[in-house]
Amino acid sequence: DQQVKQNSPSLSVQEGRISILNCDYTNSMFDYFLWYKKYPAEGPTFLISISSIKDKNEDGRFTVFLNKSAKHLSLHIVPSQPGDSAVYFCAAYTWGGNKLTFGTGTQLKVEL
Amino acid sequence: DVKVTQSSRYLVKRTGEKVFLECVQDMDHENMFWYRQDPGLGLRLIYFSYDVKMKEKGDIPEGYSVSREKKERFSLILESASTNQTSMYLCASLRTSSTGELFFGEGSRLTVL
Repeated sequence: DQQVKQNSPSLSVQEGRISILNCDYTNSMFDYFLWYKKYPAEGPTFLISISSIKDKNEDGRFTVFLNKSAKHLSLHIVPSQPGDSAVYFCAAYTWGGNKLTFGTGTQLKVEL
Repeated sequence: DVKVTQSSRYLVKRTGEKVFLECVQDMDHENMFWYRQDPGLGLRLIYFSYDVKMKEKGDIPEGYSVSREKKERFSLILESASTNQTSMYLCASLRTSSTGELFFGEGSRLTVL
């Protein structure tokens, strides 16, 4: 049973436009949601997170929105840059737990 | 600067060989993980460990074993490598009762011929 889902395997956006990556979850017990970015042949790196008691968190060009009633979160990248081209993983964590639950990832391609 | 270090970035092995992948973290984290990443399948958890000598199976443990003799070190062992174990292997660590930030190593690309 997939508790965290990323239904779009790929997304293509023009440079300078907004990229919106989506993630759905089923377990209402998650306390934190995180986004990771992964380039080919490298390990994932942490990008941004949000607590379940918040509905928005912003860090520079990256904003994560959480809609608890819909069990949905999204990552907005504005403006998108070619260097943002990577696989983005959504993950969820329950405080005090000892592992994260990951989605299957979305390949973002930012075109010139 | 926090760090998770994987011993080999690229390995090429033959079918049936025993393979060791080593991982060391310098953050005194309790939890360590081994994932594999394959296109279209995301990050799949192989094994994790929440303490020295403790281990738990993840989603795809078949064909793998692990060892955690010291807190900072977590090893993944392929007893008899097979071609379907060709993949990118990622080690990670996590502090219990954190906000969930998992720290990953650079990855080990294993090719089994």
